[in-house]
Amino acid sequence: EAAVTQSPRNKVTVTGGNVTLSCRQTNSHNYMYWYRQDTGHGLRLIHYSYGAGNLQIGDVPDGYKATRTTQEDFFLLLELASPSQTSLYFCASSERDWGTYEQYFGPGTRLTVL
Amino acid sequence: GDSVTQTEGQVALSEEDFLTIHCNYSASGYPALFWYVQYPGEGPQFLFRASRDKEKGSSRGFEATYNKEATSFHLQKASVQESDSAVYYCALRGSALGRLHFGAGTQLIVIP
Repeated sequence: EAAVTQSPRNKVTVTGGNVTLSCRQTNSHNYMYWYRQDTGHGLRLIHYSYGAGNLQIGDVPDGYKATRTTQEDFFLLLELASPSQTSLYFCASSERDWGTYEQYFGPGTRLTVL
Repeated sequence: GDSVTQTEGQVALSEEDFLTIHCNYSASGYPALFWYVQYPGEGPQFLFRASRDKEKGSSRGFEATYNKEATSFHLQKASVQESDSAVYYCALRGSALGRLHFGAGTQLIVIP
């Protein structure tokens, strides 16, 4: 069973604050993803990565940076947080780009920007 | 571009009712299609997939058939239970390597 962990699970910051969300997967998957989930919008892809040092832009990248430091670790950075970034953030991983394409999701991080 | 449309934002049913959640897609060729389920307080999890016309995917009593002509992949279950209450996401594998496009999700509420 693939394991994806996220930290912190909850975070409150103020407008203009600096936030880093962390994600680790322990199954040597190649692909990792950051999504945000908002009512009425479902899951929207922010950034994703094919492997260490690689970064791809998703559908809603504005205001977010990401970095994949190792095959296991993927970070999402909000350098000047805004209230519009209040959301539930999910990290996911998948083994490869063929076959089932199954993505394994973490438990989520709830971010509140005051 | 690639996209998925789920027309129902919320569906409320009684136990043992028949379920249909509609999913239509826009993409070229034969994209792989998926259903994911998200239970309260958890991340989404893979339910099943289909990758060619008329292929049926199924899991846990849920099923959907790939319909290329109608560009649809509707989720069905013959008899829902309270434990099926969750958010259901339809998704497709787009043309870009490694990524999925998700619909807006449908919240299923099953009343005991």
